[in-house]
Amino acid sequence: DQQVKQNSPSLSVQEGRISILNCDYTNSMFDYFLWYKKYPAEGPTFLISISSIKDKNEDGRFTVFLNKSAKHLSLHIVPSQPGDSAVYFCAADYNQGGKLIFGQGTELSVKP
Amino acid sequence: DADVTQTPRNRITKTGKRIMLECSQTKGHDRMYWYRQDPGLGLRLIYYSFDVKDINKGEISDGYSVSRQAQAKFSLSLESAIPNQTALYFCATSDVGQGGETQYFGPGTRLLVL
Repeated sequence: DQQVKQNSPSLSVQEGRISILNCDYTNSMFDYFLWYKKYPAEGPTFLISISSIKDKNEDGRFTVFLNKSAKHLSLHIVPSQPGDSAVYFCAADYNQGGKLIFGQGTELSVKP
Repeated sequence: DADVTQTPRNRITKTGKRIMLECSQTKGHDRMYWYRQDPGLGLRLIYYSFDVKDINKGEISDGYSVSRQAQAKFSLSLESAIPNQTALYFCATSDVGQGGETQYFGPGTRLLVL
C-alpha cells in the first residue's frame, strides 16, 4: 500500500524553463510534507517543506504547492538549472511522528 | 566536517555473515533513523530512536537490529545477512521545528550481500 506516490519516474526539462514534479498521497492524516533532492553517491538533502495549514511555500527558485482536497502536492523549480539534475523525493509525516513516508522518486534532468 | 557520518561507505559481505553499519551525528539531535533505499521503492524506515532509551521498529525491521550507544551514535546490525538485504542504507537525524520535523541524512552505505 503506497501511501505516497510519485508517478513519473523521470522528467526532462530545458534549462531556464519550469520543472514541475508531482506527488500524490492517500492518507488524509498527513500534516507535513517535504521535498528532498538526491545526487548520486550522496544522501538526500532537505529542499523545502509545507505544513497542511498552508497551500503554498516558496524559497527562492523552489515553490511547493499543496492541494489537500486532491491529496496532491507539487514542486515547481523556476528557472531550472543543470545543477538541479537529481532525484527528487517527496515525503509525508503526521503529528510530528518522524516516521516519514517517501515516494519512489522522480529523476529530473535539466538540459543546457 | 559532515554533520551525519556513516561507516563504512561501501561493504560487500556473504550470506549468513553478521555486519554492523554505524552512524554518528554532531547536530545534537535526539531523534535518529535508519532507512533503506531500493530501486523504484524510495526510502523505507527500518528503525528509529527518539532518545537513548527509546528504540522503535519501523516499516521493515525484520532481519535487522539496532543499538543507540549514545545521543550521537546509532548502529544498525544485520545478524545474518541475506541477498535481498542488498540496498543503500541511510541514517538520518531530525529536528522538530515550527510546523513539522525535518530529517537530515548521512551519505549512505552501499551494501552488497553475495
